Amino acid sequence: KAGVTQTPRYLIKTRGQQVTLSCSPISGHRSVSWYQQTPGQGLQFLFEYFSETQRNKGNFPGRFSGRQFSNSRSEMNVSTLELGDSALYLCASSLGGGTNTDTQYFGPGTRLTVL
Amino acid sequence: QKEVEQNSGPLSVPEGAIASLNCTYSDRGSQSFFWYRQYSGKSPELIMFIYSNGDKEDGRFTAQLNKASQYVSLLIRDSQPSDSATYLCAVTHSGYSTLTFGKGTMLLVSP
Repeated sequence: KAGVTQTPRYLIKTRGQQVTLSCSPISGHRSVSWYQQTPGQGLQFLFEYFSETQRNKGNFPGRFSGRQFSNSRSEMNVSTLELGDSALYLCASSLGGGTNTDTQYFGPGTRLTVL
Repeated sequence: QKEVEQNSGPLSVPEGAIASLNCTYSDRGSQSFFWYRQYSGKSPELIMFIYSNGDKEDGRFTAQLNKASQYVSLLIRDSQPSDSATYLCAVTHSGYSTLTFGKGTMLLVSP
């Protein structure tokens, strides 16, 4: 079974621009979660989508948004980029049942650099 | 505030030794506990998870959970240099898939 894929793998943008990242989950997984990883803050939860609906949201400004399509693929968008948005953005997929065995598997990540 | 705490390390052990990684969590409603390994520049990969009190073994890895003490640990037996990585502890809460992560412990295994 193919794993979680993310595109692009690397991205360089300038302040004020916007960016869209894409994630394709493992086949059969309906939940897609997004995380931001920085050296100072570690891994922080952005949001989770399940069956095209945002089910859970972390403590990030409204510049960060996402969506999920009917095939469970997900995109996240960051508008008006700031230098502090430079990070590794990770997508993880799971079955999404919320049971005690529901397990998230991570994609390779997108490394975003904001200049 | 739901928090997960880990010692940042580095934890240094010689090859062949047992490495013990520890994690505490603040929310008693935490449901399941996950250990991920992350090599520098790579994404986290799942090692194992546990949700019942006690021990769970998978090859060289043993996860231990003590809900009364809000403590979870990962033991790595016969540590290898290839085990050198950052180990992330993460928890989920009942009914949710969302992971809350600790900041990770760096493990260094010397030949």
